[in-house]
Amino acid sequence: EVQLVESGGGLVQPGKSLRLSCSASGFTFDDYAMYWVRQAPGKGLEWVTGVSWKSGSIDFADSVKGRFTISRDNAQNIVYLQMKSLRHEDTAFYYCGKSRIVNSNDGPIDSWGQGTLVIVSS
Amino acid sequence: DIVMTQSPDSLAVSLGERATINCKSSQSVLYGSNNKNYLAWYQQKPGQPPMLLIYWASTREPGVPDRFTGSGSGSDFTLTITSLQAEDVAVYYCQQYYSSPYTFGQGTKLEI
Repeated sequence: EVQLVESGGGLVQPGKSLRLSCSASGFTFDDYAMYWVRQAPGKGLEWVTGVSWKSGSIDFADSVKGRFTISRDNAQNIVYLQMKSLRHEDTAFYYCGKSRIVNSNDGPIDSWGQGTLVIVSS
Repeated sequence: DIVMTQSPDSLAVSLGERATINCKSSQSVLYGSNNKNYLAWYQQKPGQPPMLLIYWASTREPGVPDRFTGSGSGSDFTLTITSLQAEDVAVYYCQQYYSSPYTFGQGTKLEI
């Protein structure tokens, strides 16, 4: 069974940094692209970024470009989202997701974590 | 970036009736070399992460009831839910994975 568990969320001041982690199990981790999607409370889904199965970053939403980076540790089966210069508008649940398509960067998300809440506030 | 626009924003349908949700992309998400539409549909219930229903515009994810059907090609897509059940109350999102960033529609809230 695929399991994705996010951690690292919490309350952070504007301008500060935070690193989220997503621990994966139940599948061959380095065969799949992994993504981060966020959802502000009561709002819709926003695709944030992804990391290819070959460990290169896929892209970033314009709203986070230059502030967020993504990486993966295929030995530990973990994906990281490093967030810098956080803004109030980055407040959201952050979900980690796994691509449906093996060995491809382009895929829908077939497995999701439960999410971790990031609150940016002074 | 590709903009995904869903209609309507909300929809009320009676139990046992049909629900239709539309999704339009600002450019085609049909990849010519494999003739596949890079379009997915998700269902999200309150307090839960989204769940993949359909990908490649019309391929149902295993375990998804066959009352959920995806159709369309190019830039216009539809999710149809026949014989609506109470457990289908949720927000539905389309997503394109043709070109990063892999954008979502704004969501359609389905109510009974």
